[in-house]
Amino acid sequence: GEEVAQTPKHLVRGEGQKAKLYCAPIKGHSYVFWYQQVLKNEFKFLISFQNENVFDETGMPKERFSAKCLPNSPCSLEIQATKLEDSAVYFCASSPGTGLGSNQPQHFGDGTRLSIL
Amino acid sequence: GQQVMQIPQYQHVQEGEDFTTYCNSSTTLSNIQWYKQRPGGHPVFLIQLVKSGEVKKQKRLTFQFGEAKKNSSLHITATQTTDVGTYFCAGGRSASKIIFGSGTRLSIRP
Repeated sequence: GEEVAQTPKHLVRGEGQKAKLYCAPIKGHSYVFWYQQVLKNEFKFLISFQNENVFDETGMPKERFSAKCLPNSPCSLEIQATKLEDSAVYFCASSPGTGLGSNQPQHFGDGTRLSIL
Repeated sequence: GQQVMQIPQYQHVQEGEDFTTYCNSSTTLSNIQWYKQRPGGHPVFLIQLVKSGEVKKQKRLTFQFGEAKKNSSLHITATQTTDVGTYFCAGGRSASKIIFGSGTRLSIRP
């Protein structure tokens, strides 16, 4: 598609439950990025993929967070044993690839608002 | 680690006034991107600067990249209510990763 599609738009989970978010990147884009945006607006980089391979996971919390991008499936971000502090909007973005000496613009989805009660 | 600082955090201006947001990196950047996020929306790419000292214009918006490629600015001339939102710079270093600044939230009095 021509837009990054994120589902669901809203997700409510009780503390300790699992949460799974999905992202379909723009067709033909090689890179997928996940960000966490909390109330103070700052974007925290979580992880990036080049096709189905993890490219950079330096932002991923070590324990409860995992992500995948499998062929012919939406990418996913999964949080095990959610905590109150996981409440945020999770954005997915995709880009066509990398230019020599520059980064390509990232195209963002509408985000998934995760509320942990 | 690399940090990208952005100031001011908030700016409230009268419609028609100018607005500027500044972005500073702790390390040299290969490029810098600017995004705008409307309230309740998602970031939308505005522009990318690559060359040292580069200046680009989009109508009332002027973007600059510093000579040392460690700072950047976005200036809006004669703000309009449609300019409301949060403006983020994002510094690029590696091929796959950009680091977002903390953003400047612009509000406008009609």
